Amino acid sequence: GDSVTQMEGPVTLSEEAFLTINCTYTATGYPSLFWYVQYPGEGLQLLLKATKADDKGSNKGFEATYRKETTSFHLEKGSVQVSDSAVYFCALSRGGGNKLTFGTGTQLKVEL
Amino acid sequence: GAVVSQHPSWVICKSGTSVKIECRSLDFQATTMFWYRQFPKQSLMLMATSNEGSKATYEQGVEKDKFLINHASLTLSTLTVTSAHPEDSSFYICSNIAGENEQFFGPGTRLTVL
Repeated sequence: GDSVTQMEGPVTLSEEAFLTINCTYTATGYPSLFWYVQYPGEGLQLLLKATKADDKGSNKGFEATYRKETTSFHLEKGSVQVSDSAVYFCALSRGGGNKLTFGTGTQLKVEL
Repeated sequence: GAVVSQHPSWVICKSGTSVKIECRSLDFQATTMFWYRQFPKQSLMLMATSNEGSKATYEQGVEKDKFLINHASLTLSTLTVTSAHPEDSSFYICSNIAGENEQFFGPGTRLTVL
């Protein structure tokens, strides 16, 4: 079945550091890929998405490129801020119907 | 974006009792809502798809008589955990679909069964 694997956290960075959170997936066909972010006490929010190979999703300085050859969708940001501290979830959706398969989430802590 | 609320945000109950969790769409109508369950340090697992005016569709391995879902209106879906036991302790999250098939998530409900 479908699955999403992302790096374990917590990831602790200093402000303005470069961020990479790895995500790989297993799915048949051509899934859509997503990154969701969950700030403390809030619900998951869509951060960015990509629907086909080589697409790049971007939002709020975050980027991720849909790499079919490596079945990856790594999340990157050039300079993190304290306000980026949150839990980040990689997810996929396949075949319509809007059902999402999530990774386990990666907690990011950004310190001054 | 669309706003989804859940009530309560946390609940503690005794084993054997039933607990109802509400999921509301505050600013849009949702014909479809999803219920997820999340264990500590694990991913969100889809439990069921709730459709307004019809029976919910449960994922494999989810007991429909244990987790009762009622989607009585376009703005409200409820999940009732019947005869709760400690193994039902978890974080329950709902989501709605709006706009271009984007899912909007509630903040979750922490259930602890003693």
